[in-house]
Amino acid sequence: EIVLTQSPATLSLSPGERATLSCRASQSVSIYLGWYRQKPGQAPRLLIYDASNRATGTPARFSGSGSGTDFTLTISSLEPEDFAVYYCQQRSNWPLTFGGGTRVEIK
Amino acid sequence: QLQLQESGPGLVRPSETLSLTCTVSGGSISNTDFYWGWIRQPPGKGLEWIGSIFYSGNSYYNPSLKSRVTISADTPKNQFSLKLSSVTAADTAIYFCARSSGYSGGREYFDYWGQGTLVTVSS
Repeated sequence: EIVLTQSPATLSLSPGERATLSCRASQSVSIYLGWYRQKPGQAPRLLIYDASNRATGTPARFSGSGSGTDFTLTISSLEPEDFAVYYCQQRSNWPLTFGGGTRVEIK
Repeated sequence: QLQLQESGPGLVRPSETLSLTCTVSGGSISNTDFYWGWIRQPPGKGLEWIGSIFYSGNSYYNPSLKSRVTISADTPKNQFSLKLSSVTAADTAIYFCARSSGYSGGREYFDYWGQGTLVTVSS
C-alpha cells in the first residue's frame, strides 16, 4: 500500500496570502496524484488531477506540481472559501489511498 | 446534473452488518465510462477508500476491509450498495458514495460525491 504523508498538518494564514501544501508518497506514483478540498460538513471536491491538471471548475489560483514521490498544491491567494482541509490521493496502485490531510485555518 | 444520495440505517449494532445504498440520478451507472465507489471518514479524521465497482460487477476492494466488504450494483434501480459485516466501533464513520472514471479500470479520482451519511456502531 502506498502511504501518502501530508505536511504541515495545519497551516495558519490570512486571506490573500499564498498557501503551499505538501504530499509525499512512500514510493513513486509517477504523476498520478490528485488534490481535494473538503469544507466542513461537505464531501471532498476534486481540485487537481494527475499532479498538475485543474479539474472542471477549479479556479486558476490553485496549481499543482510534482512527480515521483513529492507533490505540492499551491493556492496563490487565499479566498475565504479556501479555509478548509485538503487531501491528496494517489491512483498509481491499488488500493487507492489518501493522505492524512492539511487544515488551512485563518490566522 | 449527476447526483448521488446515500441511504441506510444510521445506527448499527456491533457484530452486525452495515448496509448502505447509493442512488444515482442524472446519469446511469451502466455507463461504461465510469466506476462507482465507497469512501469513508471517521468523525474528525481522514478519508479511506473502501472499494469500487463497474456496472457489470467487476469490483476492487481495499485489502484492509476485503474480508468483510461486498459492493454490488443494481442497474435497473440505478443504485449500488455496500455491505460491511462484523462491524465494530472502529467502523463508525461518514460513508460517501462517489463516481470515478473507468479509464484506468476504475483506478482514478472521484469527481462526483454524495453528501455522505453518518453510520454509528453502538449497542
